[in-house]
Amino acid sequence: DIVMTQSPDSLAVSLGERATLNCKSSQSVLYNSNSYVAWFQQKPGQPPKLLISGASTRESGVPDRFSGSGSGTDFTLTISSLQAEDVALYYCHQYYNSPWTFGQGTKVELK
Amino acid sequence: QLQLVESGGGVVQPGRSLRLSCAVSGYMFSSYGMHWVRQAPGKGPEWVAGIWFDGNKKDYADSVKGRFSISRDNFNNTVFLQMNTLRVEDSAVYYCATSSFSLLDYWGQGTLVTVSS
Repeated sequence: DIVMTQSPDSLAVSLGERATLNCKSSQSVLYNSNSYVAWFQQKPGQPPKLLISGASTRESGVPDRFSGSGSGTDFTLTISSLQAEDVALYYCHQYYNSPWTFGQGTKVELK
Repeated sequence: QLQLVESGGGVVQPGRSLRLSCAVSGYMFSSYGMHWVRQAPGKGPEWVAGIWFDGNKKDYADSVKGRFSISRDNFNNTVFLQMNTLRVEDSAVYYCATSSFSLLDYWGQGTLVTVSS
């Protein structure tokens, strides 16, 4: 199984500041120049919401302050200017092969 | 507008069975894969099972293999999860999710399963 390890476990950021979330996969999730990594946002009582797929493709309707980067085994989700509504749990996820796996999550809070 | 509505959750004793349903609307259901993902309280999501668009291929997490069975009804746009021999550790919110090129893109609101004596 591919293990997804996120860091840090939690992150406190001031409004308007940058938040950087990391995710490392235990093996490469790259195939045909595509990285099969997605990022989800989850708020209390809600299902996970897809933000980024293919490591860097923002889903429709997702604010452009969210960006994804990385390739191979190391990936990053960046929130360029944190807003109050961005306080949530964030999970990385690999859909390269079965079993589909998720990271343990990074909790983003306001400082 | 795409909608996924899960149902069938509840409280059940260990060793008993439960069948979850997920009704999908506003989507070309028969063209895409469907998955079940669960999330225990305070934990991250855990993929449980997936079924290909035509139902001919199914896949399961090792933790549920032999106990759970996924199926779909493309006429009624519904996916099911039959859960047998339930264990306490199966307690979680169960989400159904659509799948485009293996990506779990849209999720329902979930249904809570509690396994307790």
